[in-house]
Amino acid sequence: DGGITQSPKYLFRKEGQNVTLSCEQNLNHDAMYWYRQDPGQGLRLIYYSQIVNDFQKGDIAEGYSVSREKKESFPLTVTSAQKNPTAFYLCASSIATGKSYEQYFGPGTRLTVT
Amino acid sequence: GNSVTQMEGPVTLSEEAFLTINCTYTATGYPSLFWYVQYPGEGLQLLLKATKADDKGSNKGFEATYRKETTSFHLEKGSVQVSDSAVYFCALSDDGSSNTGKLIFGQGTTLQVKP
Repeated sequence: DGGITQSPKYLFRKEGQNVTLSCEQNLNHDAMYWYRQDPGQGLRLIYYSQIVNDFQKGDIAEGYSVSREKKESFPLTVTSAQKNPTAFYLCASSIATGKSYEQYFGPGTRLTVT
Repeated sequence: GNSVTQMEGPVTLSEEAFLTINCTYTATGYPSLFWYVQYPGEGLQLLLKATKADDKGSNKGFEATYRKETTSFHLEKGSVQVSDSAVYFCALSDDGSSNTGKLIFGQGTTLQVKP
């Protein structure tokens, strides 16, 4: 079955630690995205990548970093510089960029930092 | 900039009732419009989409029509079921001239259907 996997589903970290969230897709999609979801709010774009070895900042990139070394993988690191990291993180992919292409989402990782 | 506004929830309905969730948008150009559904603890699933004015997207009994004159994309279903209980997000493509594929989401509307 093709799809997007995110692991782990729940993640707990102490304040001051960096943490990396995994996102893998086997849909052969070129574009990948990371969103953050907070209670009662819509999704906000953190980073996106249109092609391997290239990525761009989204609306709320401060305190986050990404890499895109392989087409199928787009890990997100939440650094200690992120002031309010506790949230639900969603990874998505799209066959191509452009306004007509829908995005497909993974199941999400809920990060709790104490 | 581009934005999406959804009706506030939660929306509580009895089974078999008619559903409308309002969505209006502000955008330059001609964006595509989407409805996504999120079940508790899960990611988002695409429900339907429309890519140009007057297009109607439909799936699983849900429908929405791209109305450019009223800048709206309201979600409707004739008879809801308990299994439709979820959070519904309206979204628009926000490409402008940058071709990023970025989506702009509304804040989500929680639907609760009671037996």
